[in-house]
Amino acid sequence: DAKTTQPPSMDCAEGRAANLPCNHSTISGNEYVYWYRQIHSQGPQYIIHGLKNNETNEMASLIITEDRKSSTLILPHATLRDTAVYYCIVISGGQNFVFGPGTRLSVLP
Amino acid sequence: GAGVSQTPSNKVTEKGKYVELRCDPISGHTALYWYRQSLGQGPEFLIYFQGTGAADDSGLPNDRFFAVRPEGSVSTLKIQRTERGDSAVYLCASSSTSWGYNEQFFGPGTRLTVL
Repeated sequence: DAKTTQPPSMDCAEGRAANLPCNHSTISGNEYVYWYRQIHSQGPQYIIHGLKNNETNEMASLIITEDRKSSTLILPHATLRDTAVYYCIVISGGQNFVFGPGTRLSVLP
Repeated sequence: GAGVSQTPSNKVTEKGKYVELRCDPISGHTALYWYRQSLGQGPEFLIYFQGTGAADDSGLPNDRFFAVRPEGSVSTLKIQRTERGDSAVYLCASSSTSWGYNEQFFGPGTRLTVL
């Protein structure tokens, strides 16, 4: 079973920030938080990952709470092309990725 | 550069037939993964190769499923005596090092339909 809980769907207006939450209350100290997304009919695409510090790259920002029990993926200026299913995954070395059903983000014009 | 490629993109077969699905990973990537994705669900891990050997095949559902990677590059997923429940998108991914703390690059998948 996936170690994360995400809302099944969210809407976001184009140009606004999309904030996608993820709960991982049973995360252990050596487990990372990874985010992938899957656009319709394509394979999943890596977005970002982090351990305990907030992370930012050209695609998104990842905010991890101090107790590490939850995190938020932020797409600062969502576009229609960001419409996808977003997966939050918790993993440590030597484990395989366990994908849950993810959050279906719809960016609306 | 070239990403992960998978062939065929679509495969339709009849119940009981044998199928092979091919994955060409990114050149130089030592780790290769197979996943299966049913409609409306996230990808489900099947098997992981490090080089030529299967490091973890715990996700293979039964002995009708088998995968090889004889030269440490291209991999083939083989399904014997296909069943209608095998219908899904089969995804392949590769990464530059062993799994865990690394980015996996996914291919577009092979959509398998068993009639």
